[in-house]
Amino acid sequence: GPKVLQIPSHQIIDMGQMVTLNCDPVSNHLYFYWYKQILGQQMEFLVNFYNGKVMEKSKLFKDQFSVERPDGSYFTLKIQPTALEDSAVYFCASSSGLGGFEQYFGPGTRLTVL
Amino acid sequence: GDSVTQTEGLVTLTEGLPVMLNCTYQTIYSNPFLFWYVQHLNESPRLLLKSFTDNKRTEHQGFHATLHKSSSSFHLQKSSAQLSDSALYYCALRESSGQKLVFGQGTILKVYL
Repeated sequence: GPKVLQIPSHQIIDMGQMVTLNCDPVSNHLYFYWYKQILGQQMEFLVNFYNGKVMEKSKLFKDQFSVERPDGSYFTLKIQPTALEDSAVYFCASSSGLGGFEQYFGPGTRLTVL
Repeated sequence: GDSVTQTEGLVTLTEGLPVMLNCTYQTIYSNPFLFWYVQHLNESPRLLLKSFTDNKRTEHQGFHATLHKSSSSFHLQKSSAQLSDSALYYCALRESSGQKLVFGQGTILKVYL
């Protein structure tokens, strides 16, 4: 089936540094999402993105977070600067907008902030 | 806000026995979409079932679920568990007007011989 790829699978950085998480969505999809999962807790919505704009974001999407998809390349989540509480697995998802906005998920990027 | 509750963190059972994973939800919206996602070890969460129709059974890959708006439930069932069903199962809700998914905490299903 359709696959969403995420690069890297793991990232370890020092607090205060910048990090960019990359997502390669399903090729014909137009809607993109990021979710955050802290260890032992449920996945929580961060943001969704369509036509170059943030459509909706949660309170977890802090000012230090930003998303973009320049020229149809990777859909990225940038955190600058990072904080200890940003340590989590970040899941990217994409949707064509059809089928009830069925979302296809990537395998996640495990971010550890030291 | 919206919420999804999965009461079991871990369900263990012997192959061949029936499976039932509980999911209840809270939302102010009258037409929510409900989903079950399955995540096998080291893989992406994958959509298993979805529904937005009240009291209509939906089936896929041997699993089934029925959305009951009267009880705000969308329990996942299978008549006979297989070893390969061992995975993490998430119930999720999407309000009809938005796109974000609200997830439950997930239930780990472990099936033994």
